[in-house]
Amino acid sequence: DAGITQSPRHKVTETGTPVTLRCHQTENHRYMYWYRQDPGHGLRLIHYSYGVKDTDKGEVSDGYSVSRSKTEDFLLTLESATSSQTSVYFCAISGWGNLSSYNEQFFGPGTRLTVL
Amino acid sequence: AQRVTQPEKLLSVFKGAPVELKCNYSYSGSPELFWYVQYSRQRLQLLLRHISRESIKGFTADLNKGETSFHLKKPFAQEEDSAMYYCALFTGGGNKLTFGTGTQLKVEL
Repeated sequence: DAGITQSPRHKVTETGTPVTLRCHQTENHRYMYWYRQDPGHGLRLIHYSYGVKDTDKGEVSDGYSVSRSKTEDFLLTLESATSSQTSVYFCAISGWGNLSSYNEQFFGPGTRLTVL
Repeated sequence: AQRVTQPEKLLSVFKGAPVELKCNYSYSGSPELFWYVQYSRQRLQLLLRHISRESIKGFTADLNKGETSFHLKKPFAQEEDSAMYYCALFTGGGNKLTFGTGTQLKVEL
């Protein structure tokens, strides 16, 4: 598997608490993405990054924020988690890097988040 | 606006039967399309991309610009093909992909 890890892999939290998910890559790719995966909706883009400290919104960004202080790490924060944010979250990378292939996206293993 | 449509949520076939997973797209530019596969509780991985015109694990997909389709086909389904399949469209800007809602393929014995 590509050098993309996510932490934690599973998390259960309560409504109203802040949650931060981490995506870490060792492949030196420029672009990083956060998706959520829900039955019937497929994969939906939350936020993405096109470089260190450069981020932009995706189609379902409300309630989420991101940060990228270095190439390797892309953090997704739920400021105040809600039950509607219960989902599986995937990180992905792309762009020229160790894995080549400019526009192919390589995915992390996913984080299963449950908000009670 | 760009859009990827996968009309079937679930496709159930018998082992050895042909498989066709449908994908239609809407895009004003020159499309680049992909098929990703996700085996049970695993990460998504690229199955094939139309530019390379490869056949991976017996699957093929042909881009039909006239019908704006990129259907995934396999002549003889195998049990290990059971998985979730996503069609994706490269939409440039931020190197983004737009994904369809996915089709769960179930191959029955």
